[in-house]
Amino acid sequence: AQKVTQAQTEISVVEKEDVTLDCVYETRDTTYYLFWYKQPPSGELVFLIRRNSFDEQNEISGRYSWNFQKSTSSFNFTITASQVVDSAVYFCALSPLSSGSARQLTFGSGTQLTVLP
Amino acid sequence: GAVVSQHPSRVICKSGTSVKIECRSLDFQATTMFWYRQFPKQSLMLMATSNEGSKATYEQGVEKDKFLINHASLTLSTLTVTSAHPEDSSFYICSARETPNTEAFFGQGTRLTVV
Repeated sequence: AQKVTQAQTEISVVEKEDVTLDCVYETRDTTYYLFWYKQPPSGELVFLIRRNSFDEQNEISGRYSWNFQKSTSSFNFTITASQVVDSAVYFCALSPLSSGSARQLTFGSGTQLTVLP
Repeated sequence: GAVVSQHPSRVICKSGTSVKIECRSLDFQATTMFWYRQFPKQSLMLMATSNEGSKATYEQGVEKDKFLINHASLTLSTLTVTSAHPEDSSFYICSARETPNTEAFFGQGTRLTVV
């Protein structure tokens, strides 16, 4: 069974502050993918990143960075110098990596991030 | 990223009627499409997985006769909510992927309100 936990239900920060969204996962699979998605108020899900379990290197993309720690089963997401447009619900998700599987995503409960001007 | 278009974005229907939601992959052929349901301030719950040309696989607790899914072509899947009731009001969102080794991209979602 797979499980994704996002313990932070809501976070509010002031613009230009850094913010970290936590994600902890459970899986029996030895190989898997981890994802982050952004859901703005309009509702669509925007893909942010996919990371496979083989690769524990941290990744940076502009103001976004991700910290994958297999030892603690965590895949945290940091936004540097937050902006009002970053306000959204952010979902962490997990899927098996093995080919031939349905590769269904298991989502966390989401974190509502509000960036105040 | 790849584009998945979902239509309509909002629909209001009367109790007892049926409503069809379309999910199209615009720039790739989607061998698999997923349908999710999301209640306010909650996460996405997978309803069913459909592979082109075969019957959809429904998650436990999802009524297959109520939520009819058709994936007749590589670019189109439809979800029909039959005999809709107010408790079916929700946000429905689809995703599509080209192969098992590519990530799934999501449509814009459909907000269904049954009155």
